[in-house]
Amino acid sequence: KNQVEQSPQSLIILEGKNCTLQCNYTVSPFSNLRWYKQDTGRGPVSLTIMTFSENTKSNGRYTATLDADTKQSSLHITASQLSDSASYICVVSEMDSSYKLIFGSGTRLLVRP
Amino acid sequence: DAEITQSPRHKITETGRQVTLACHQTWNHNNMFWYRQDLGHGLRLIHYSYGVQDTNKGEVSDGYSVSRSNTEDLPLTLESAASSQTSVYFCASSETGSKKGYTFGSGTRLTVV
Repeated sequence: KNQVEQSPQSLIILEGKNCTLQCNYTVSPFSNLRWYKQDTGRGPVSLTIMTFSENTKSNGRYTATLDADTKQSSLHITASQLSDSASYICVVSEMDSSYKLIFGSGTRLLVRP
Repeated sequence: DAEITQSPRHKITETGRQVTLACHQTWNHNNMFWYRQDLGHGLRLIHYSYGVQDTNKGEVSDGYSVSRSNTEDLPLTLESAASSQTSVYFCASSETGSKKGYTFGSGTRLTVV
C-alpha cells in the first residue's frame, strides 16, 4: 500500500533555531513530492514541488531535499520565526495518476520565543 | 485576485440530514478536488473532477456525491449525514499537468450530531 510517513509528529523549537522534518514514502512509481505548510484553521499552502530528478529545492528559509533511491525527503527550516508555527505536510504523487496525491499526517511545529 | 472559497466555514447538522458544502474557484482551473482531514490521518480524497460534467470517486467516497455543471463550482453533498462524517473538509483546484500546484480553500468544519 502506498504510504507517506512523517517524523516527528510534533516538534518544539526556540525562535531563531533551525530544524529538519523527515518524510519517508513507499509510493511507486513516483512522480513528484511536495511539501505544504498548513496554519491552524487554514488550507495547506505549497512550499516546494520536486520531481524524482531533483535533489533539492528552496523557498526562502525552507529547503527541501529528496533522495529518490531511499525514498526519503526532508524539509529544513533555517532561522525559525514564530510564524513558522504550523503543520508541515509531505505529499507524494503517483506516476500513473498525477492528480492523486497521497498525504502524510504532518509534523506539527511550534516555535517559541 | 483569483481565489478559491468554501462555504460555510462551520456547519452543525443532525444525523440523517442532507448537507451541501460549496466550493467556488476563480482560477479557471479544470481540476477540482474534495478532501477530508481527520486527526491522525493525512488528507483523504473524496471526489474529484477533471472538467465540466466529469466526476470521479476517491478513496473515501461512500456517502458523498459531487456534480460539476460549470468550471467554477464543485459542491459536495452528504446524502444522509452520519457522525463518522464529522470532519474538516477542504476543496482544492489545480491546472492540468502533473507538476502543477494545488490551491486549497480554507476549509469547512462539519459537525454531525
